[in-house]
Amino acid sequence: EIVMTQFPASLSVSPGERATLSCRASQSVTNNLAWYQQKPGQAPRLLINGTSTRATGTPPRFSGSGSGTEFTLTISSLQSEDFAVYYCQQYNSWPRTFGGGTTVEIK
Amino acid sequence: QVQLQQWGAGLLKPSETLSLTCGVSGGSFSGFHWIWIRQPPGKGLEWIGEINYSGDSKYHPSLESRVIISVDTSKNEFSLRLTSVTAADTAVYYCAGGLGWLDPWGQGTRVIVSS
Repeated sequence: EIVMTQFPASLSVSPGERATLSCRASQSVTNNLAWYQQKPGQAPRLLINGTSTRATGTPPRFSGSGSGTEFTLTISSLQSEDFAVYYCQQYNSWPRTFGGGTTVEIK
Repeated sequence: QVQLQQWGAGLLKPSETLSLTCGVSGGSFSGFHWIWIRQPPGKGLEWIGEINYSGDSKYHPSLESRVIISVDTSKNEFSLRLTSVTAADTAVYYCAGGLGWLDPWGQGTRVIVSS
């Protein structure tokens, strides 16, 4: 099983600032990496698939990068609606696995 | 666009069987794989298993002995059964569709296992 590690576990950011979230895989997942956003009491929402392809409705301030074992989700200018928990997920091999999440909090 | 609506019992006693169903509307049922995921209270996401339109399924190794995912193509529904539940199975259970990544998601069902 591929272990996905996200860091930091939490991040305090002021509105308008940039946030950088990291995700590391225990072995290569090539570019088969997705990012999700989850707000309290809601189901996760797909933000990015294929490492860098924004899902329908994902604002351009969200961007993904990386390959192999190291991946990054960048939010260029945080808006109030972006404060949430973010998960990465690999779909390169079975079983599919998620990272433990990064909480983005208001500073 | 494709939408998912899930339902099933939310309160179980230990050793009972969890049973949830997810209905698919608004799009191609055959074009996706159909997945169940769970999230224990205050924790992260765990992939339970998935099934395709043809009925081929895969399960997480840690749950494989207790889980069955089935599909009813006549109703555009897929279902989860998890036997012999314990308190460790308490979680919000989500259905989802996808081909690796997950989109769309159901609304989630909170399942509590308690005597």
